[in-house]
Amino acid sequence: GQQVMQIPQYQHVQEGEDFTTYCNSSTTLSNIQWYKQRPGGHPVFLIQLVKSGEVKKQKRLTFQFGEAKKNSSLHITATQTTDVGTYFCAGPGGGSARQLTFGSGTQLTVLP
Amino acid sequence: DAGVIQSPRHEVTEMGQEVTLRCKPISGHNSLFWYRQTMMRGLELLIYFNNNVPIDDSGMPEDRFSAKMPNASFSTLKIQPSEPRDSAVYFCASSPRVNTEAFFGQGTRLTVV
Repeated sequence: GQQVMQIPQYQHVQEGEDFTTYCNSSTTLSNIQWYKQRPGGHPVFLIQLVKSGEVKKQKRLTFQFGEAKKNSSLHITATQTTDVGTYFCAGPGGGSARQLTFGSGTQLTVLP
Repeated sequence: DAGVIQSPRHEVTEMGQEVTLRCKPISGHNSLFWYRQTMMRGLELLIYFNNNVPIDDSGMPEDRFSAKMPNASFSTLKIQPSEPRDSAVYFCASSPRVNTEAFFGQGTRLTVV
């Protein structure tokens, strides 16, 4: 079945530094979604990418979808303490069910 | 809209007891998901409903787990009998249709002692 792998598992950065998390799928994805989960909270949808090579920006966050639609990245410029949390990518599962399958997540810590 | 509503928020129970978790999805959403989150295994999909029908329950750990969706506005996840290894945060999520964003509830933190 389809697997979504994410790296790194953990990342500690100094406030103001940049941060990137990578997502790789074993199969081609029709789309990919990104979520953020604050400590003690629930996953919250950030964005969905659909097109090959697509790039989308949300303020300091830049999301990319690979040309082959098998990988994606999230880049945060000049991190702030409010960026703390775990970032998940998610893609539709294999087969006819196409349920949302989440990556393992990258836990970001921002040191003031 | 109040979003996806889960109850209870916290549940502490003794091993062997039955536990029922409840979820009210966002009105009009056709898809409903139950996820379990632990430090060791991350966010795991347990079961997925579409239009109240279970589509994929391959993530349900074992026969002790069961889920129902009697109507479009209510779903339950039952564990009977519960075991300490079932301790986790259980999330319910709904989405308007397949392959669209999922809206998560606040989760139920289950502790089985």
